[in-house]
Amino acid sequence: GAVVSQHPSRVICKSGTSVKIECRSLDFQATTMFWYRQFPKQSLMLMATSNEGSKATYEQGVEKDKFLINHASLTLSTLTVTSAHPEDSSFYICSARNPLPGQGGNTIYFGEGSWLTVV
Amino acid sequence: KNEVEQSPQNLTAQEGEFITINCSYSVGISALHWLQQHPGGGIVSLFMLSSGKKKHGRLIATINIQEKHSSLHITASHPRDSAVYICAVGELIFGTGTRLQVFP
Repeated sequence: GAVVSQHPSRVICKSGTSVKIECRSLDFQATTMFWYRQFPKQSLMLMATSNEGSKATYEQGVEKDKFLINHASLTLSTLTVTSAHPEDSSFYICSARNPLPGQGGNTIYFGEGSWLTVV
Repeated sequence: KNEVEQSPQNLTAQEGEFITINCSYSVGISALHWLQQHPGGGIVSLFMLSSGKKKHGRLIATINIQEKHSSLHITASHPRDSAVYICAVGELIFGTGTRLQVFP
């Protein structure tokens, strides 16, 4: 089963509204999670690194006030797309690193992804 | 020049064929990942490599750190292997992917 769960898998929202996407690590505590977006037929692009208990680190060109990231616990990070516009429509995906040694340790697990459509 | 390059970009095969996808990178790495993405979008991590070779079922991944090159092999390919295979360096840099279609 999935070890990183993302919700919702699909969401449609009206332009100007905000949408929250959740990313949960189910079997381990993730001090670091990553958020990506992927446009059709393109590769994933890292948006930001989410650190538990501190501010997220955003990649160049990603608006931190538009893409709000909160990593309030060791198993949950959220991405909120604020004042969504149609050009924000994309596939958003998260990943989490299991930092522990041993089987499965230091392995990255990806969420199932969230399709956002802004109309 | 992309920091992670994959080849081929597209690949078609008949069921049962042996498949190889290549990945070359130009940055220093601690680990390289091979990912599989199905049409629905979900991504599965297939392998994480820092050296040598790993095998899981019909999938084999190898890496040569000196040459900065990795390969993903699929033995006895099956239509359900049809997906996009992505090489990723750490969590940060992704190849553009190889779209594989296996026909029965």
